[in-house]
Amino acid sequence: AQSVTQLDSQVPVFEEAPVELRCNYSSSVSVYLFWYVQYPNQGLQLLLKYLSGSTLVESINGFEAEFNKSQTSFHLRKPSVHISDTAEYFCAVKAAGNKLTFGGGTRVLVKP
Amino acid sequence: DGGITQSPKYLFRKEGQNVTLSCEQNLNHDAMYWYRQDPGQGLRLIYYSQIVNDFQKGDIAEGYSVSREKKESFPLTVTSAQKNPTAFYLCASSIGGSGNGYTFGSGTRLTVV
Repeated sequence: AQSVTQLDSQVPVFEEAPVELRCNYSSSVSVYLFWYVQYPNQGLQLLLKYLSGSTLVESINGFEAEFNKSQTSFHLRKPSVHISDTAEYFCAVKAAGNKLTFGGGTRVLVKP
Repeated sequence: DGGITQSPKYLFRKEGQNVTLSCEQNLNHDAMYWYRQDPGQGLRLIYYSQIVNDFQKGDIAEGYSVSREKKESFPLTVTSAQKNPTAFYLCASSIGGSGNGYTFGSGTRLTVV
């Protein structure tokens, strides 16, 4: 079985400042890693995913995440946030043949 | 456009009533899932189905029931046995293959009045 820990439940950040959302997982087998974003009263949208290859993956809206196997982490970063990035972010892991396991979520509040 | 449709978006239920939440997908996905979301608790899996006419309990199945008579549809019934049903309910689907994530619907907010 796998588990996911998002170390921060809330992250306040000023507009144009950088942000990092931390995600650690535990699994006895290789996993695939995902970040989802949820805007208020909406479903989750896939932000980016790591399957294999380069450990740094990027999204189209400036987010990036780096897979670190030795630290079992998949932290999400953005060098400069916008007001529109205010949302809740979920890290998720999936082992072959298994279901997605979600972290508890990190709520990002971007302040002007 | 392909996607998942959840209806209604808002639902009010009186105590003691059963209600059914609809989830329809036209993505030709084999697997479908129901999650419950409460503030500060992330997503908790209620039920999932990997093929038609088959489904399994998730982590919090008590007080809920599902059916999977068609590939496109996976309705969730919140029964009167569910003592605290007020929550945001999310339906998702996925295609086969471990590297694929889930596609989510826009959710149904259920409130007991």
